[in-house]
Amino acid sequence: EVQLVESGGGLVKPGGSLRLSCAASGFTFSSYSMNWVRQAPGKGLEWVSSISSSSSYIYYADSVKGRFTISRDNAKNSLYLQMNSLRAEDTAVYYCARGPLGTTLTTYVDYWGQGTLVTVSS
Amino acid sequence: QSALTQPASVSGSPGQSITISCTGTSSDVGGYNYVSWYQQHPGKAPKLMIYDVSNRPSGASNRFSGSKSGNTASLTISGLQAEDEADYYCSSYTSSSTPYVFGTGTKVTVL
Repeated sequence: EVQLVESGGGLVKPGGSLRLSCAASGFTFSSYSMNWVRQAPGKGLEWVSSISSSSSYIYYADSVKGRFTISRDNAKNSLYLQMNSLRAEDTAVYYCARGPLGTTLTTYVDYWGQGTLVTVSS
Repeated sequence: QSALTQPASVSGSPGQSITISCTGTSSDVGGYNYVSWYQQHPGKAPKLMIYDVSNRPSGASNRFSGSKSGNTASLTISGLQAEDEADYYCSSYTSSSTPYVFGTGTKVTVL
C-alpha cells in the first residue's frame, strides 16, 4: 500500500524558515517524480514544486521561486521542502504527492499524503 | 500562470448526470492531453479520478468520465450518488513558467 506521511509543519513568524519532510513507503520511491501541493484555508489547490526521480529536473511555482527548495533522498525514501522567507500567504496545508512513473513532467499526481499545516503569523 | 476556470458550483439529484467544465488556453488544456481531475471531501486529501483527459485510475468509479474539446475539458459524473458530494479540481500541464496548474474548484451538491 502506497503511503506518504508529511511532517514538519507548525507555526512560524513572517520571514522565518521551516523544513517539511515526507516519508514514502509501499512503492519504489526512486522511480517516481514527487511533488508538493498546498491548500490555503478554505481555498483551492496550488501546485508548489516537483522533482524528478533522480533530482535532475526541478520546477517551482512562481509564487515560491527563490524562497523554497525541494529535494529528495532516495536512500531514505524521503522528500523535503525547505521554506525560507515565509510570508502570511504561505499559510496552508502542504501535501506531498506522487507523480507519474518514470517521467520528468508532472502531468498528474496519483497518491497524496494527509498533509501538514504551516501557519505563518506573528 | 492563472488557475484554470471552473464553475463555482454544480448540483444534481441522485441518479442524474452532471458535467463540470474546466477552461484554459492553448498553452495548457488545449495544447496537451494532460488534463486530470481530483475529488476532495472536506478535511481529506484529494483523490485522483481521471488522468490524461479520459483515463480512469484503479479505484476510481466508472461513473466518472473525462473529455476535452479545444481549450475546455469536462468531467461527467453519471448516476449521481450522495457520496459524490465534494469539491472537484481539474489540472493541466502547462508550457508556462509554472508547469502545472490547478483549476479554481467546483463544489458538487447532491440535492
